[in-house]
Amino acid sequence: AAGVIQSPRHLIKEKRETATLKCYPIPRHDTVYWYQQGPGQDPQFLISFYEKMQSDKGSIPDRFSAQQFSDYHSELNMSSLELGDSALYFCASSPSGRGTGELFFGEGSRLTVL
Amino acid sequence: AQSVTQPDIHITVSEGASLELRCNYSYGATPYLFWYVQSPGQGLQLLLKYFSGDTLVQGIKGFEAEFKRSQSSFNLRKPSVHWSDAAEYFCAVGARKGYSSASKIIFGSGTRLSIRP
Repeated sequence: AAGVIQSPRHLIKEKRETATLKCYPIPRHDTVYWYQQGPGQDPQFLISFYEKMQSDKGSIPDRFSAQQFSDYHSELNMSSLELGDSALYFCASSPSGRGTGELFFGEGSRLTVL
Repeated sequence: AQSVTQPDIHITVSEGASLELRCNYSYGATPYLFWYVQSPGQGLQLLLKYFSGDTLVQGIKGFEAEFKRSQSSFNLRKPSVHWSDAAEYFCAVGARKGYSSASKIIFGSGTRLSIRP
């Protein structure tokens, strides 16, 4: 079965640079979520989109922005990168409608800021 | 808003011994509940989930969890652990929303499980 696809899987950037992460949800899933997991931390919710509109917002820095496109894929843009942005970034997707509430996670994109 | 607490940061058990990882949640109604496992540097693997029905949920790898509404708990259990079970375990809670959109899930701080040979 198709899963959530994240790219790139690994990314190395310098401080103050910009990075873009991409997420391709499971087909027919219309909701996408972004999470950030720092070293030794639990995944923290950043932002979510439903039908291309922002549906919820968590602890996302102002330097970060995200959007969901017409094909439901999503991109997380991170600017003015800081050392503390080094983390594993997860994308998840889910279908709308009454279900189990399960989010389907991708394998994550590891960002290292030097 | 929902929240979840995992009171044990690190647990060590002997191989073959039983395991129970604690999880308490806060939510005004019946939540969605999940347990995930994560090996170092790896992704999140869903062990099991509860959304309705039988309060004792069976998952993969021999794990089970019991939803206890009166205690706001969803503890994870395994009768006999294997060395390969050493990992970080996260409990997570999701809110029930309307038809139009699903809800984010909130993770607990995690419990690191070590296995003693």
